[in-house]
Amino acid sequence: NAGVTQTPKFQVLKTGQSMTLQCAQDMNHNSMYWYRQDPGMGLRLIYYSASEGTTDKGEVPNGYNVSRLNKREFSLRLESAAPSQTSVYFCASSEGDRGTHTDTQYFGPGTRLTVL
Amino acid sequence: LAKTTQPISMDSYEGQEVNITCSHNNIATNDYITWYQQFPSQGPRFIIQGYKTKVTNEVASLFIPADRKSSTLSLPRVSLSDTAVYYCLVGDKDYQLIWGAGTKLIIKP
Repeated sequence: NAGVTQTPKFQVLKTGQSMTLQCAQDMNHNSMYWYRQDPGMGLRLIYYSASEGTTDKGEVPNGYNVSRLNKREFSLRLESAAPSQTSVYFCASSEGDRGTHTDTQYFGPGTRLTVL
Repeated sequence: LAKTTQPISMDSYEGQEVNITCSHNNIATNDYITWYQQFPSQGPRFIIQGYKTKVTNEVASLFIPADRKSSTLSLPRVSLSDTAVYYCLVGDKDYQLIWGAGTKLIIKP
């Protein structure tokens, strides 16, 4: 099993450009999450999906949109990138279907995004 | 709203026991307290999870007092490879995920 995979691993954007970060999990998990981690900081939840077809805002949703394409895939879109969105983005999944329950989360390797 | 507090950093030496405490208030009464480990350039990795009292697995122990206002991660006989950032995670009474800011643990030879 690959676990949680993310693409791309690195990305550089110019201010105003758009892009989509892809995430997939092969563990048949119900819940999926998108986090951002700024240098030297902890994790901040952007959006999560407790089950296929549902999404909810986390702590820092502004400037992002998400799509739970199917049970396996959860994408994060930046419509108009800003330098403040420079960060490392982690996708995670967990078995539970509540989304906000603190069941074990499994993380991907991250996408390092720089916005110039 | 729940809030967590962890020490920013800690130092220890190989072979010692390390205890990292996370203070948390207004957490959900029926939710787990979970600890994660993160190495540079990697995603966090689950270490241990508990609801109350003491939980032990092959890598760590977790102590949670009856009032659940704190939790202590205990790493026995640490090695250089335990150098990492450690995060506590709780759920608050509105079922939101609350991550600690992380404790950077440095193990010296």
